[in-house]
Amino acid sequence: GEDVEQSLFLSVREGDSSVINCTYTDSSSTYLYWYKQEPGAGLQLLTYIFSNMDMKQDQRLTVLLNKKDKHLSLRIADTQTGDSAIYFCAEILNTDKLIFGTGTRLQVFP
Amino acid sequence: IAGITQAPTSQILAAGRRMTLRCTQDMRHNAMYWYRQDLGLGLRLIHYSNTAGTTGKGEVPDGYSVSRANTDDFPLTLASAVPSQTSVYFCASSDGTANSPLHFGNGTRLTVT
Repeated sequence: GEDVEQSLFLSVREGDSSVINCTYTDSSSTYLYWYKQEPGAGLQLLTYIFSNMDMKQDQRLTVLLNKKDKHLSLRIADTQTGDSAIYFCAEILNTDKLIFGTGTRLQVFP
Repeated sequence: IAGITQAPTSQILAAGRRMTLRCTQDMRHNAMYWYRQDLGLGLRLIHYSNTAGTTGKGEVPDGYSVSRANTDDFPLTLASAVPSQTSVYFCASSDGTANSPLHFGNGTRLTVT
């Protein structure tokens, strides 16, 4: 199957950490991605991780990959109101097909 | 500013009418894609093109057609619109190499009545 699943909503207080989770089904995926969608706009690539890595850190973002459980997570440290958006995980199949998750709407409140 | 331009921004269309959503990129990317975004379903691939002159079907191609006559343009046509095609449509492009990120347009919001 090609299902990529995420929870639909996450609400956090400003300054706390946010953790957005994703499960995927294709163990042959070579790259896994996190995209961010702000209101009224298209998706923008946030970060990605190669399948032979367990963790990748990029400033406030930390990506964790558990290949055994086919689980991907995105941690945002010190979450700000500007981080409010929809976050999509995606896996690439056969190098030419990107499958997106259902998206997680992150709401940051003061 | 380089990027992807989609037109129109939004459209209300009567069922049964024909509609073409336009997409143009100026990054000379080989690959282009059309996705539809629906609440709770994320983005689903409709059609794609790996290079000018070729197209392929995605997850949900029925009711849609595409053409890729040149590198820059990738129009999506609904031959006879139905209410289930009410959605937000996103065009994207990439240079087609492994791990190349997708660049998205700002979307077209289509309502079929």
